[in-house]
Amino acid sequence: EVQLLESGGGLVQPGGSLRLSCAASGFNFRNYAMSWVRQAPGKGLEWVSTSSGGGDSTYYTDSVKGRFTISRDNSKNTLYLQMNSLRAEDTAVYHCAKVGSATRANWFDPWGQGTLVTVSS
Amino acid sequence: SSELTQDPAVSVALGQTVRITCQGDSLRSYYASWYQQKPGQAPVLVIYGKNNRPSGIPDRFSGSSSGNTASLTITGAQAEDEADYYCHSRDSSGDHYVFGTGTEVTVL
Repeated sequence: EVQLLESGGGLVQPGGSLRLSCAASGFNFRNYAMSWVRQAPGKGLEWVSTSSGGGDSTYYTDSVKGRFTISRDNSKNTLYLQMNSLRAEDTAVYHCAKVGSATRANWFDPWGQGTLVTVSS
Repeated sequence: SSELTQDPAVSVALGQTVRITCQGDSLRSYYASWYQQKPGQAPVLVIYGKNNRPSGIPDRFSGSSSGNTASLTITGAQAEDEADYYCHSRDSSGDHYVFGTGTEVTVL
């Protein structure tokens, strides 16, 4: 069974940093792109970042570019999101998700339960 | 445009059919995937690709696409289908992903 388990969330002051982790199991981790998706309280889903299977290609939504860094350790089956210069608007539940792909199609499945990041003084 | 637009809310009578739409320029090039999210839970994939259902998703869920519009249809809606639904695709550049604005489905 494919499982994703996030950790590392918490309360942080504006301008602070956090590192999220996503432990994966049940599939050949290095063969799949992985993504982070966040959901602010009462709001919709927002794609944050994606890493290719090897970690050599990374992509970010504009609002986090230069502040967040996605990485992965394929020997540990773990995905990371280093978040720096955090802002109040980064407050959200952060989910990791496995990326599926086919011609003209991509999908996120499954999703982890998420970890809450709260940016507040 | 890199946006995907959905109606904020729809309602459907128990056992009837409801269609949820998602509009965006990138849908002319990429298929949408669809996610169901119930309160306090992580999203669950219900449709991906041209019209594929993951294992465990009931066959009352189906997907279609035409031009810049993707649709998710629930045929014979059940009480347990009450949830928020999001579409998702690549944006027009192909490098980024984008989610739709979400549709709240109420089963009456």
